[in-house]
Amino acid sequence: GIQVEQSPPDLILQEGANSTLRCNFSDSVNNLQWFHQNPWGQLINLFYIPSGTKQNGRLSATTVATERYSLLYISSSQTTDSGVYFCAVAGFKTIFGAGTRLFVKA
Amino acid sequence: DVKVTQSSRYLVKRTGEKVFLECVQDMDHENMFWYRQDPGLGLRLIYFSYDVKMKEKGDIPEGYSVSREKKERFSLILESASTNQTSMYLCASPGPGETEAFFGQGTRLTVV
Repeated sequence: GIQVEQSPPDLILQEGANSTLRCNFSDSVNNLQWFHQNPWGQLINLFYIPSGTKQNGRLSATTVATERYSLLYISSSQTTDSGVYFCAVAGFKTIFGAGTRLFVKA
Repeated sequence: DVKVTQSSRYLVKRTGEKVFLECVQDMDHENMFWYRQDPGLGLRLIYFSYDVKMKEKGDIPEGYSVSREKKERFSLILESASTNQTSMYLCASPGPGETEAFFGQGTRLTVV
């Protein structure tokens, strides 16, 4: 089956810093999703991004399906950005990466 | 804008109790899923359903059962709760085909 790998596993940022999270997937996919899991455990949809680039405020994502990776950019990080970021191959049986745990310190 | 709703955010149950976790979606989706999430183990699929009264085992179905009597509702049942079922439970409903998945807010279950 498809393997989804995320890096880095853990990340500590100073508030205001920028970061890039990476997601590699092992096979061709035509869907890719990014989630943020907040400290209360809820998974929040960030982007559904099969290919190309999307932006939502301080967050943006790029998927290059032909090269089997996706990137999530966080600019001007805030403490509320803390939590775990998952990428997933969306679909009938959504397959998740292990996540990147982000801590933004004030 | 609510799409997937789980009945409880937090539950505390005793060992041996029968536990029902409810999930409702308002998107008229056919597919619904139950995951559990544990530290270091990520999200693991318990059961999924692709139509009313249809269900399939996921990766870790032991100790669980499910019920899908109506399209919008998918219930996860712990027949006899055990302490190793203490976990975060997440319900999801993806759209038709390979499209975006939506998750409920999660239920943090503690079995004592």
